[in-house]
Amino acid sequence: AQSVTQLDSQVPVFEEAPVELRCNYSSSVSVYLFWYVQYPNQGLQLLLKYLSGSTLVKGINGFEAEFNKSQTSFHLRKPSVHISDTAEYFCAVSASFLGTQGGSEKLVFGKGTKLTVNP
Amino acid sequence: DAGVTQSPTHLIKTRGQQVTLRCSPKSGHDTVSWYQQALGQGPQFIFQYYEEEERQRGNFPDRFSGHQFPNYSSELNVNALLLGDSALYLCASSLYPAGQGAETQYFGPGTRLLVL
Repeated sequence: AQSVTQLDSQVPVFEEAPVELRCNYSSSVSVYLFWYVQYPNQGLQLLLKYLSGSTLVKGINGFEAEFNKSQTSFHLRKPSVHISDTAEYFCAVSASFLGTQGGSEKLVFGKGTKLTVNP
Repeated sequence: DAGVTQSPTHLIKTRGQQVTLRCSPKSGHDTVSWYQQALGQGPQFIFQYYEEEERQRGNFPDRFSGHQFPNYSSELNVNALLLGDSALYLCASSLYPAGQGAETQYFGPGTRLLVL
């Protein structure tokens, strides 16, 4: 079974400052990793994903994340945040194989990190 | 490109009632997953439908049931509602098989259910 720990429940930063949102996972199998963003009263939007290949993944809105297998981490970074980045960010993991039954592997989410960007 | 749509957006029910939530997957997708997001928590997997069958199920009681139609849309039914069922219910879609996006799920805006 997989699990995800998001180490910070809240991260306040000033506009134009860099930010790192931390995510650690636990799994006995190879995994896919995802970051989703949720703006107030909305659903989840995919920011970026790691499936295989390069460990540095670039996503939308200037975000990037680095997969570190030895530290079982997938931290999200942005070099300069904007007010509009204020939202909740969720790290998620799924097993990187599909059973013969079809469909997709379920996502296991962390509890989320609320990013607040202040002027 | 039509994304994932859900209806209704909000719903208020009383304890003991039954509710049906609806989801239309992203155009071209054939797999629908349902998640429950309680206030202040991350989404939790309820179940997944592919080829009109429940393929995976999370740790939710039998009061939670679902259906997938031939056009890939899906319903989530919850019977005998409890106060603790109040949450945002999210639908996600993907495309099987592997290599064609099955590893990535795209979410709808959710249905917010309040049980009084």
